[in-house]
Amino acid sequence: GENVEQHPSTLSVQEGDSAVIKCTYSDSASNYFPWYKQELGKGPQLIIDIRSNVGEKKDQRIAVTLNKTAKHFSLHITETQPEDSAVYFCAAGRTNTGFQKLVFGTGTRLLVSP
Amino acid sequence: KAGVTQTPRYLIKTRGQQVTLSCSPISGHRSVSWYQQTPGQGLQFLFEYFSETQRNKGNFPGRFSGRQFSNSRSEMNVSTLELGDSALYLCASLEGNEQFFGPGTRLTVL
Repeated sequence: GENVEQHPSTLSVQEGDSAVIKCTYSDSASNYFPWYKQELGKGPQLIIDIRSNVGEKKDQRIAVTLNKTAKHFSLHITETQPEDSAVYFCAAGRTNTGFQKLVFGTGTRLLVSP
Repeated sequence: KAGVTQTPRYLIKTRGQQVTLSCSPISGHRSVSWYQQTPGQGLQFLFEYFSETQRNKGNFPGRFSGRQFSNSRSEMNVSTLELGDSALYLCASLEGNEQFFGPGTRLTVL
């Protein structure tokens, strides 16, 4: 079945460092790859997404890269801040039918120390 | 615009009971998806409703069911609760390709 693997499960960095989270997906028909940030007591919030016709996308300190051949995609956060501390989830899905069923990774707990 | 709302936020039930959770999507959104989140399994897709019809379903037993009303509000029901049903149940409404999640309902089964 469809599967998304996410690594690492926990990541501790110093404020100002960069953080990288990697995901691998199994369904070659996936064409939409969002990243979500979940803070304690809240639902996941979309922070950035990328589609299969794009290799890289950047939004201020956050960037996502996609390698469709290898079925890998990664989240890069530069100049990390304590408020970046949260659980991050990658996901993969198909959007061509108008319906979006996302398969999520298992999450990465990011801790940014001041 | 108000976000996705879920009620109740917390619920405690005992094994064998049934439970109904409610989700109101963002105004104008017609698609509502439900997910179960647990520490061991992560976020798993339950089902999705669009215009009162279930469009897709995940790999959950028949004890898990849902419905959607004409105003797009959705409910999910779990019958004959088991200890393993303890989880955070999230609903999300869809606009374009972006899913907007609610805060979830934390269900504890004793």
